[in-house]
Order: sequence, then structure tokens, then C-alpha cells
Amino acid sequence: DTAVSQTPKYLVTQMGNDKSIKCEQNLGHDTMYWYKQDSKKFLKIMFSYNNKELIINETVPNRFSPKSPDKAHLNLHINSLELGDSAVYFCASSQGRDEKLFFGSGTQLSVL
Amino acid sequence: KNEVEQSPQNLTAQEGEFITINCSYSVGISALHWLQQHPGGGIVSLFMLSSGKKKHGRLIATINIQEKHSSLHITASHPRDSAVYICAANNNDMRFGAGTRLTVKP
Repeated sequence: DTAVSQTPKYLVTQMGNDKSIKCEQNLGHDTMYWYKQDSKKFLKIMFSYNNKELIINETVPNRFSPKSPDKAHLNLHINSLELGDSAVYFCASSQGRDEKLFFGSGTQLSVL
Repeated sequence: KNEVEQSPQNLTAQEGEFITINCSYSVGISALHWLQQHPGGGIVSLFMLSSGKKKHGRLIATINIQEKHSSLHITASHPRDSAVYICAANNNDMRFGAGTRLTVKP
């Protein structure tokens, strides 16, 4: 069983569309995260959720919104997609904020 | 200037060599992470440190809180160690280094 799974692996879409990326963890972790890796491979945190509370929100456009239906899921919704949103998005989880991270395999988003 | 600086940016070694990757950070932290990203893109957490030293197999990570510096060492390097190694400093939010691309040649 994959510990942290995210879908889809690849997402190609047109500018202006709305899309979602799903993330699920079966580790029983309390905290989940979304990261963005840009074309230069630089990672940046976008969001983290701990017990359904958003505890970190970097300067991310409000077109991006995390949705957590339960502790095991943290989905990423993106509205009005822009060319600059093209990147690889990683989901991760940890038992606590200063604990080891477990990453999903990434979703490569291409906005045309 | 990035709050987390890694060196070197690129590193090529021969199989069997001892490898050191350095990470310096300018913010106070609660923990520092070392991550490995393979050519296929997947990311694996190697270590999470808040003090001292940790060892796992051929990998050793150290941190000096006073000097705001951490090192990742690989002993007896192998071509399968070829990857990008990323350090990340956790200070309420996580700041990442730009990564060190390691290539180990047979």
C-alpha cells in the first residue's frame, strides 16, 4: 500500500480551467502539506493542515485552496489556472510539524 | 539571498568516495530536514534533525545549531546515490535549499 498517494500523476489543461489534485495518506498522520516545485526544481511550501486547521499559508494566490474532508485527505483545488501554475505539486504528511515527512509521487501540472 | 544555502550546487564523484554536502541557514529553526529526490522525481525524507548527529546505513547527518549549519555525508558512495539532495529548514514554515545534484560514477 502506498503511504501517501496523489492523483493524477499528470494533468494537462487549458488556461482558465479549474482543476483538483487529490491526496490521501494511510499513515494516520496528523499533518498534511502541499508543496510546489517550479521549473528550476525549487521547492516551496504552499499549505499545511493539522487536525483540519490551516496552520501555514505562504503567499499563495487565493485561486489555490486546500480542502480536507478528513484527516487522511488534503486535496488541492485550483481555480482559473494560469500558465505560471505549471509545476510539479507534491503532497506530503507527517505525524507532527517537526517529524519526518512522507511524500507522494508528485503531480505534474501543465497549463497550456 | 535564500534563507537556506546549499553547497556545492553540483557534485560529481567516483564510486567509493566520501561525499559531503553542506547546508547553512539564516533563520532560527525547530528542525532541519534532508531530502533525496531521485531522477524519476520522487522525494524521500532521509533525516529530520534538531540537534547532534544521525546515522542511517551509509548516510550521516549532523547539525550545529549555534553555527546554523548542517552537513550530509555519504560514505562509500555508489552510483545509486546519484540524486538531488535538498535541505529544508523548518521555522513555522519550511524553507528549502536549491538542492545539490550528486552524480556518482562507477
